[in-house]
Parts: sequence; structure tokens; C-alpha cells
Amino acid sequence: EVQLLESGGGLVQPGGSLRLSCAASGFTFSSYAMTWVRQAPGKGLEWVSSISGSGDSTYYADSVKGRFTFSRDNSKNTLYLQMNSLRAEDRAVYYCAKEPYETTGYFYDYWGQGTLVTVSS
Amino acid sequence: EIVLTQSPATLSLSPGERATLSCWASQSISYYLAWYQHKPGQAPRLLIYDASIRATGIPARFSGSGSGTDFTLTISSLEPEDFAVYYCQQRSNWPITFGQGTRLEIK
Repeated sequence: EVQLLESGGGLVQPGGSLRLSCAASGFTFSSYAMTWVRQAPGKGLEWVSSISGSGDSTYYADSVKGRFTFSRDNSKNTLYLQMNSLRAEDRAVYYCAKEPYETTGYFYDYWGQGTLVTVSS
Repeated sequence: EIVLTQSPATLSLSPGERATLSCWASQSISYYLAWYQHKPGQAPRLLIYDASIRATGIPARFSGSGSGTDFTLTISSLEPEDFAVYYCQQRSNWPITFGQGTRLEIK
């Protein structure tokens, strides 16, 4: 059974940093691209960043480019989203999601339950 | 950036009725469209990918159609558990984009 478990969310001040993690199990982790999608309060889903199975290719939304870094440790079956220079508009539930192939840019067949990030002074 | 526009924003129907949800793309995206169901406090669930292919375990009452710029998600006969928010998502071009969602509520 595919399981994705996000952690690391919490309250951070504007300009601060936070690192989200996503622990994966139930599939051959390195064989699949992964993605972060977020949902701000009362809003819809927003794609944030994607990474290939090898970790060689990453893509970012313009809204987070230069501030967020998406990485993966295939030996630990874990994803990381390093979020720096956080803004109030980054407040959202962050979901990690699995793609169906090693290369990214597809759809998301499994999702985690999400972790809440709040940016406030 | 490809903009996806979903219609209607809210759809009020009764169990047993047929639901038709629309998603329009600002430019042609071929068949590169997926549909998701999202309930509060839960993980989103993939329903349809590549416009018309049902994901694993999705009931046959869910169907997708369309290509180019116009897409439709149809739920043939609503079950109580189908009331949720539905999103379309395109993968034709970066950045990946989602529609703003259609809320399907019980009438």
C-alpha cells in the first residue's frame, strides 16, 4: 500500500525558514517522480514543485522559485522541501504527491494527508 | 501559463442525479487533463487522467471526455460520498496548473 506522510509544518515568522519532509513507503521510491502541491485557506490546489525519480530534474512555480528547494534522499525514501524567506501568502496545507513515472510532469496518483504551514508574526 | 477555468463554481444536486462538470483550457492541451476529488481534511484523490482514463479503483459512474480546450467530468448517478470539490489539472505545459474547483453540494 502506497503511503505518504508529510511532517515539518508549523508556525514561522515572515522571512523565516521551514523544512518539510515526506516519508514514502509501499513502492520503489526512486522509480517515481514526486511533487508538492499546496492549498491556501479557502483556495484551490496550487502546484509548487516537482522532482524526477533520480532527483536530477526539478521544477518550481514562479511564486516559490529562488526561495524553495525540493530534494530527495532515495536511500531514506524521503522528500524534503526547504522553504526560505517565507511570506504570509505561503500559508497553506502542503501535500506531497506521487507521479506515475520516473520523469515528472504527469498527474498525481497518490497523495499524503498534508501538513499545515502558517506564516505569521 | 495555461489557465484552466471550471464551471460551474458550485453545483447543487441530489443523490441519484447526473452531474456534469466542465473545465476549459486557455489553449489546447491535447488530452493532457486529469480530474481529482477533494474532501475536507482528506488527501485529494485521482479520478481520471489523460482526459478519459479512470484511475485504479474509481467507480464506473465517473467518466471523463474532451480534448483540446474543452473537457467534461460526468458522474452518472450521484452517491452520497460524491459530494466534494472537484479539480482539473493540465500537464501539457509547465507550470502545471489546476482549475479553481467546482464544489458539488447536496441539494
